[in-house]
Parts: sequence; structure tokens; C-alpha cells
Amino acid sequence: GAVVSQHPSWVICKSGTSVKIECRSLDFQATTMFWYRQFPKQSLMLMATSNEGSKATYEQGVEKDKFLINHASLTLSTLTVTSAHPEDSSFYICSARADRNQETQYFGPGTRLLVL
Amino acid sequence: AQTVTQSQPEMSVQEAETVTLSCTYDTSESDYYLFWYKQPPSRQMILVIRQEAYKQQNATENRFSVNFQKAAKSFSLKISDSQLGDAAMYFCAYKNTGGFKTIFGAGTRLFVKA
Repeated sequence: GAVVSQHPSWVICKSGTSVKIECRSLDFQATTMFWYRQFPKQSLMLMATSNEGSKATYEQGVEKDKFLINHASLTLSTLTVTSAHPEDSSFYICSARADRNQETQYFGPGTRLLVL
Repeated sequence: AQTVTQSQPEMSVQEAETVTLSCTYDTSESDYYLFWYKQPPSRQMILVIRQEAYKQQNATENRFSVNFQKAAKSFSLKISDSQLGDAAMYFCAYKNTGGFKTIFGAGTRLFVKA
């Protein structure tokens, strides 16, 4: 149990386009999901906390208009990178906290984004 | 604010040997959780072990065990009988009970020699 999927796993796009990344909790409900960014050989950097049915909470320094988050259901959160630029190239990881066990996060496999 | 420190950027262990990864944290809370996550080359984050601060007994999961020293705010991970598949980045993490955010350390890269 506690499986989180992410789609796509790999995406290459042109500068100026938008990219949507999906995060799904497959076998549990998750009122709260998290979006992280990870640079090579570094730790996870929390970008935002996504709450079902309400606006996401963004960390300081993260542009909410650049990184749009929608948590439309108890099993799905999406991150849209709008007008992507090469500096947005990174590894994006989502995680979900099960409503039945809120003390542990379960992670998706990550999405590698390359903006040309 | 809570912080998590992993002072060993890299560690190396011989296959079948034992290795200990260090982690210290800072908090003024008394009720919290500590975690070790493994990130192999696939980059999928995997929960290795979890410790609840109010439990004095150290958590154990097969070959993985922790040494939790609450007064010293130390939370080390011991890997026994190391295997090649244990090679990965290991992240120590902290979370207040009932809180939202999990705070991660910088990570320790573990190499396993055959």
C-alpha cells in the first residue's frame, strides 16, 4: 500500500511552453500533497503544500504564478510549470500524506524536466 | 526553527560489513517523528525507517536500525550486512507531530564496495 505515481517521468519542452505534471495517490486518500524540487546531488527543496479543495501554500521564494498547483481531488494534485525556461530544468518530486496516517510521507518516482 | 544536519557527505562500506550514518537535529519540541529515507539511482524516495520521539525503544527494520538519543538530539542509522543494493543517497528527516512540513538533511551518499 501507500503508492504514489507521477506522470510523466521524463519531459523535454521548448522554452516558453507550459508543462503539467500529475501526482496520484493510488491506494489511499491524500488531503495533503507536497511538491519538491531537487537539484543534482542536493537535498529536496519544498516548493509548496497542496491541499485538496483549497489554494496551495507556497514556500518563500517560489513564484505561485510560475508554478501552478491544483489539488482537485483526494487522489490527484497537478503542478504546471508555466512559460518554462531553461533554469526551470530540474527533478520534481511529489509526495502524499495518507489521511489515515498523517505522520509519514510517501513519494512519487519524480519527473525530470528539461527545458530547451 | 527545526534543522537537520548530516555531517557526512559520503560514506563507504565493504559488502557484508556494517556502516553507521550520522544525523543530528535541533528542535524545541518534545513530540515529533524522525525518518530515514533512501534515494537510489532511480531517484525514487523510499522510507527506510521511522522513529517516534516518545518511544524510547530504537526502531528496527530487518538490517536497518537506529540509535535514537533524544537528549543528544541524535538519530543515526546502522546498516548491517551491507549489500550492493544499499548504495544510495540517504536522507535524515524530521517532522513535528501534527505538523505539516518534513525537514530534510543534506543527505549522505553511501557507496558499497564488492
